[in-house]
Amino acid sequence: QQPVQSPQAVILREGEDAVINCSSSKALYSVHWYRQKHGEAPVFLMILLKGGEQKGHDKISASFNEKKQQSSLYLTASQLSYSGTYFCGTVMGGAQKLVFGQGTRLTINP
Amino acid sequence: DTAVSQTPKYLVTQMGNDKSIKCEQNLGHDTMYWYKQDSKKFLKIMFSYNNKELIINETVPNRFSPKSPDKAHLNLHINSLELGDSAVYFCASSQAGLMTGYTFGSGTRLTVV
Repeated sequence: QQPVQSPQAVILREGEDAVINCSSSKALYSVHWYRQKHGEAPVFLMILLKGGEQKGHDKISASFNEKKQQSSLYLTASQLSYSGTYFCGTVMGGAQKLVFGQGTRLTINP
Repeated sequence: DTAVSQTPKYLVTQMGNDKSIKCEQNLGHDTMYWYKQDSKKFLKIMFSYNNKELIINETVPNRFSPKSPDKAHLNLHINSLELGDSAVYFCASSQAGLMTGYTFGSGTRLTVV
């Protein structure tokens, strides 16, 4: 039931773009995205509830596909502050718990 | 005015001891959670309470016992600590369960020696 994230790690130069994917074998009720910096707590980025939904703020956005089995997080013109581990969390229909993926480690170099 | 606060931040203890971690949220949220993050950064849910009622109890050894005296507090007591219990434990809260984002506490790093 754990969603699968890809890639596991990515290294970018400042200003480059990144895409992180989150996939489930079953249809999802919702998808959450969080960022965790080293030694800190995960911080909520956004939640997607509807198939086909796209959301974003600043240069970070996400989509939820029509079948509600995959979500992608898009980081454009990456900044040094974007470095950290990104987690998707998924909720399956009928479940009452948020299950996290294994995380994607994003490193932004100057 | 920390939104979700956990104490202590660090906990080093010997095997076999009993310890507690406390969590408080001042956001007015109705649901609180305990997550365990292991050395590989995997975040796994342990327990969830909604208005003091236990709604999620994952496959966790019964040495772990959560308690929620009111909807703003969720504590975790661990008996007979084992080496494998070493991890970072995060408390979190949310409003309306799964329809909104979670706010996490800063975590408690538990080291069992």
